[in-house]
Amino acid sequence: SQTIHQWPATLVQPVGSPLSLECTVEGTSNPNLYWYRQAAGRGLQLLFYSVGIGQISSEVPQNLSASRPQDRQFILSSKKLLLSDSGFYLCAWSTGTSGGGTQYFGPGTRLLVL
Amino acid sequence: EDQVTQSPEALRLQEGESSSLNCSYTVSGLRGLFWYRQDPGKGPEFLFTLYSAGEEKEKERLKATLTKKESFLHITAPKPEDSATYLCAVQARDYKLSFGAGTTVTVRA
Repeated sequence: SQTIHQWPATLVQPVGSPLSLECTVEGTSNPNLYWYRQAAGRGLQLLFYSVGIGQISSEVPQNLSASRPQDRQFILSSKKLLLSDSGFYLCAWSTGTSGGGTQYFGPGTRLLVL
Repeated sequence: EDQVTQSPEALRLQEGESSSLNCSYTVSGLRGLFWYRQDPGKGPEFLFTLYSAGEEKEKERLKATLTKKESFLHITAPKPEDSATYLCAVQARDYKLSFGAGTTVTVRA
């Protein structure tokens, strides 16, 4: 069966510091991978998605970037965090063609920027 | 632009008191409508996918239905363990998901 991992679970970072969040998927090959951010009381906002190694699409211009160095690894990064980057970050995977299919979510990372 | 609106924002139920959650949407070329359950501090858990108007799906005390403009999630005889936030999302022609803000359901024993 497929499993998705995210770490760390919780992170407190000062403004201006770098960020690296990691997501890995087990039990499937060539998944579509997604990064979302969830703000309190709001819907999930798609940040990045990837249909293959090295293929990243950005949905929202911002302070963040994403990379996919391996088939089942997706990394969310920032060089300098802003207060507005605080939130709950979720990674998801699917196996549909062209980025489609049912998306399954990881446990999330709670990021607090102070 | 694709839009998803969920109502009500919050719903408080007595155990055994059935109710419905609404998800209304506008989307260019619906490929699917998804329901998820999210517990506090956790990632969303997949419940259902509906693809066409008239389709219905059931899982335990939950039943999801779909029309051309909205979807309903019916909770029959809820139990306290059904307390959660229920998220609705639509998948458009470009395969991207647009989420509603969710309905937070609290079931009291």
